[in-house]
Amino acid sequence: QVQLVDSGGGVVQPGGSLRLSCAASTFAFSTYGMHWVRQTPGKGLEWVAFIRYDGNIKYYTDSVKGRFTISRDNSKNTLYLQMNNLRVEDTAVYYCAKDHYSGSYDSWGQGTLVTVSS
Amino acid sequence: DIQLTQSPSFLSASVGDRITITCRASQGISSDLAWYQQKPGKAPEVLIYDASTLQSGVPSRFSGSGSGTEFTLTISSLQPEDFATYYCQQCTNYPRTFGQGTRLEIK
Repeated sequence: QVQLVDSGGGVVQPGGSLRLSCAASTFAFSTYGMHWVRQTPGKGLEWVAFIRYDGNIKYYTDSVKGRFTISRDNSKNTLYLQMNNLRVEDTAVYYCAKDHYSGSYDSWGQGTLVTVSS
Repeated sequence: DIQLTQSPSFLSASVGDRITITCRASQGISSDLAWYQQKPGKAPEVLIYDASTLQSGVPSRFSGSGSGTEFTLTISSLQPEDFATYYCQQCTNYPRTFGQGTRLEIK
């Protein structure tokens, strides 16, 4: 059973920074692309970022480009999302998700809540 | 960006009913569509990928169809555990996008 454990969320002021982590286990982490997806409280899902299995290709949604950085450490089976210059509108539950060959996400973390507020 | 529009946004139905949710894409996406189920306080779970392939472990009462710009998710006989929110997602290019969701409630 694939396990993904999200952590690192919290309350931060606008302009602040946070680093989210996603610890993976029970699958060959280094061979799969990974994503971050967020969900605004009470609202829908928004894809945030993708990183290829080797870390050499990354994509971001426009609203986070230049502020967020996705990375991974395959030796630690861990995915990261460095979030800088946070805005109120970044408030959401952030999920890491494992890429499936079809492009869908076949496993998700439990989510970590990021609240940006003064 | 590819926009996905789900209909209806809200659906009230009874146990045993057959229901269909539609997802329309703003441009053709071949069969690169997934459906997810999300229950309150939980992460989404994939039900169907490639528009019509059932994820392992998902009950056969769930089915998906469509290609191009119009897709459907059908639940043939609603069970109590099926009352949740459903999302479609296009997997054809970046940025990945989701539909706005369909909330399925017990009548």
